[in-house]
Amino acid sequence: DAGITQSPRHKVTETGTPVTLRCHQTENHRYMYWYRQDPGHGLRLIHYSYGVKDTDKGEVSDGYSVSRSKTEDFLLTLESATSSQTSVYFCAISGTSGRALEQFFGPGTRLTVL
Amino acid sequence: QKEVEQDPGPLSVPEGAIVSLNCTYSNSAFQYFMWYRQYSRKGPELLMYTYSSGNKEDGRFTAQVDKSSKYISLFIRDSQPSDSATYLCAMSDSSNTGKLIFGQGTTLQVKP
Repeated sequence: DAGITQSPRHKVTETGTPVTLRCHQTENHRYMYWYRQDPGHGLRLIHYSYGVKDTDKGEVSDGYSVSRSKTEDFLLTLESATSSQTSVYFCAISGTSGRALEQFFGPGTRLTVL
Repeated sequence: QKEVEQDPGPLSVPEGAIVSLNCTYSNSAFQYFMWYRQYSRKGPELLMYTYSSGNKEDGRFTAQVDKSSKYISLFIRDSQPSDSATYLCAMSDSSNTGKLIFGQGTTLQVKP
């Protein structure tokens, strides 16, 4: 998985609790992304980062926040989890501007919100 | 209406068959087209990357883009059971941001 790890790999939580997912890369890539994958919707971009402390929203960013204080780590936070956020979350990385579309994906985190 | 439409299948074929997977899209600004393969409970992996219209071949895989029809295809020749996976098309209007729009994926099963 191209030097990308995600933690935790599985999590079950209750509605209203905060949740933080971590993506860690060893490739020193500039761009990092968070996607969610749901049946019937494919992959949808939540947030992305184009450098340390530089982040921007994707198409489904409501209810999510991100932070990137180091090149290697990109955190996704659900401030108050809802059942609609039950999904599989993938982190992805890419190397450089102009090649940002050649993304390498992590193994995924399966999140269940009860 | 979704920006990218992809038949979810499932598609089942015998080993050795030629497989055709397709996506249609509505945004004429898309210029970059990708196909990802995703095995069960794994992350997607990039298979093919094409820019603008035309064909691109890589081994048993051929990607076609027809921008006039807003239609892209992935052909798999001599399909193998190891090709059984979900295939996702993805598109973008810029190569600099990495903002991809994905189809919902087509599940393919190749039977021995």
